[in-house]
Amino acid sequence: AAGVIQSPRHLIKEKRETATLKCYPIPRHDTVYWYQQGPGQDPQFLISFYEKMQSDKGSIPDRFSAQQFSDYHSELNMSSLELGDSALYFCASSSRRTGVNTEAFFGQGTRLTVV
Amino acid sequence: AQKITQTQPGMFVQEKEAVTLDCTYDTSDQSYGLFWYKQPSSGEMIFLIYQGSYDEQNATEGRYSLNFQKARKSANLVISASQLGDSAMYFCAMREGSGFGNEKLTFGTGTRLTIIP
Repeated sequence: AAGVIQSPRHLIKEKRETATLKCYPIPRHDTVYWYQQGPGQDPQFLISFYEKMQSDKGSIPDRFSAQQFSDYHSELNMSSLELGDSALYFCASSSRRTGVNTEAFFGQGTRLTVV
Repeated sequence: AQKITQTQPGMFVQEKEAVTLDCTYDTSDQSYGLFWYKQPSSGEMIFLIYQGSYDEQNATEGRYSLNFQKARKSANLVISASQLGDSAMYFCAMREGSGFGNEKLTFGTGTRLTIIP
């Protein structure tokens, strides 16, 4: 079965650079979520989109922005990168069309290292 | 207050034994969902099992079962007949609300499970 696809899997950037992470949800899933997991931490919710509109926002820095496109894929743009942005970034997708949301499948994550 | 509490930072269990990973939660919503995820050292987040607040039966998925005690606000994960491949970090997570709005997951701090041969 198709899963959530994230690219790239690994990314190394220097401080003050920008990074773009991509997420391709499971086919027919209409909702995308982004999470950030720092080393040794639990995942923290950043932002979510439903039908290409932002539906919820968590502790996302102003330097970060995200959007969901017409094909439902999503991109997380990160500017002025800081050392503290080094983390595993997860995308998850789910579907509201099928009823109450009982599943949330995660991609394999993008490991961002800022040097 | 923490919404999800996992009180066991680490556990060591003998292979083939059953193991219970504790999770308590805090919410004032009547409708919510509880999830368990497995995160191996490779980093991916693997969905294991889900329990809805209105589900009367405890959820089961193969060797995984969820011991849901609503009055005590606990949702412990039980893994039967543990295997070496079960060694990983396990996260309990909660979604509050009906599932048509505020659907983000709030995670606990995780339990690192190590299976001993």
